Amino acid sequence: EAQVTQNPRYLITVTGKKLTVTCSQNMNHEYMSWYRQDPGLGLRQIYYSMNVEVTDKGDVPEGYKVSRKEKRNFPLILESPSPNQTSLYFCASSLNPGSNGYTFGSGTRLTVV
Amino acid sequence: GQQLNQSPQSMFIQEGEDVSMNCTSSSIFNTWLWYKQDPGEGPVLLIALYKAGELTSNGRLTAQFGITRKDSFLNISASIPSDVGIYFCAGQPPGAGGTSYGKLTFGQGTILTVHP
Repeated sequence: EAQVTQNPRYLITVTGKKLTVTCSQNMNHEYMSWYRQDPGLGLRQIYYSMNVEVTDKGDVPEGYKVSRKEKRNFPLILESPSPNQTSLYFCASSLNPGSNGYTFGSGTRLTVV
Repeated sequence: GQQLNQSPQSMFIQEGEDVSMNCTSSSIFNTWLWYKQDPGEGPVLLIALYKAGELTSNGRLTAQFGITRKDSFLNISASIPSDVGIYFCAGQPPGAGGTSYGKLTFGQGTILTVHP
């Protein structure tokens, strides 16, 4: 089944403790992206990647890092999480975002205390 | 970044009613997309629009790409309980080329509640 898989689904952590949210896609898509969803703010793009080793900032990149060492994987790294990064995070992939949009994973709900 | 403003923020309707929501921007967009998010899931693409003035249907859903390229609307006819969810517009800004082709901006969402 074609899908975007992200783990974990739920995560509670403490301020300052580094964490990684994994994302993998099995559709051989060139593009991958991370979004965060907050009430009243919709989905905001954090980072996106055009291909292996090619990444670019979205609208809210501060406090996040990404890497694209393999085509199928695009982990999101929070080096020093803070409470304002408590949010619902979505990974997504696409062959052609401008034409087909992104296919989204099921989300990771992160709470930073 | 460029902003997309969706309205209304939320809607409470009776089953069988028609629904209309829209999305506006101060800047032009090359592509308009409409997504639906069910509770506990990621958004799923409903309709994609590529040209100014384009009108596209998908079952009971109809969407249009505004002539000015700064707006789009989505209509749902004869709503049913499973239409409940959050609807998002999304757009790709012009000039998106090279690596920035991955950029896709979303609106704030419209929360739809359908009463049986």
